[in-house]
Amino acid sequence: EVQLVQSGAEVKKPGESLKISCKGSGYSFTNYWIGWVRQMPGKGLEWLGIIYPGDSNTKYSPSFQGQVTISADKSISTAYLQWSSLQASDTAMYYCARLDAVVGRTILWYFDLWGRGSLVTVSS
Amino acid sequence: EIVMTQSPATLSVSPGERATLSCRASQSVSNNLAWYQQKPGQAPRLLIYGASTRATGLAARFSGSGSGTEFTLTISSLQSEDFAVYYCQHYHAWPPMYTFGQGTKLEIK
Repeated sequence: EVQLVQSGAEVKKPGESLKISCKGSGYSFTNYWIGWVRQMPGKGLEWLGIIYPGDSNTKYSPSFQGQVTISADKSISTAYLQWSSLQASDTAMYYCARLDAVVGRTILWYFDLWGRGSLVTVSS
Repeated sequence: EIVMTQSPATLSVSPGERATLSCRASQSVSNNLAWYQQKPGQAPRLLIYGASTRATGLAARFSGSGSGTEFTLTISSLQSEDFAVYYCQHYHAWPPMYTFGQGTKLEIK
């Protein structure tokens, strides 16, 4: 089965570090970009960044550059999202999603496969 | 930065009726536009990409249209399972950006 399996819910205190994971299976993990998307409580979707596990090429949204770190370990088909010092405002559901593309007159990119999400709660 | 604006914020429609959701880009995005559905407690699900191509296995009652700055997602005959939040999303090549609209909540009338 083609799927992305995310790590479980986390409860952390402000200032703590955290690394959440997203493991792909059922497809060639190194051949697709993986993106991370944030959803704060009751709010919409925000894109954080993407990584190409084949060579760890990473691109960040300007809004999240320097706030989070995206990495991947292709040997275990896993992508990561990490924080060095969490804040209460990081409380959200975080989704990983596979980026697919159709090449025609232009390249059309879209997130075709999503993980179930990892809930991160930061509270003192 | 391209801004995606969805309207209305909330749409109330009766089962069996047609629903029309709009997404407007602040500048032309050609046909690089996708639609996602999100039900409570679930991850988003891809519905449409390239403005009008249905994702694999998607029911034919869903259709996407538009190009440039104006896009529409139409659900021809609403089923109970279609009541959810819908997001449009644009991809920008450089710098790479995947901008989502703020969402339209489709609720039962």
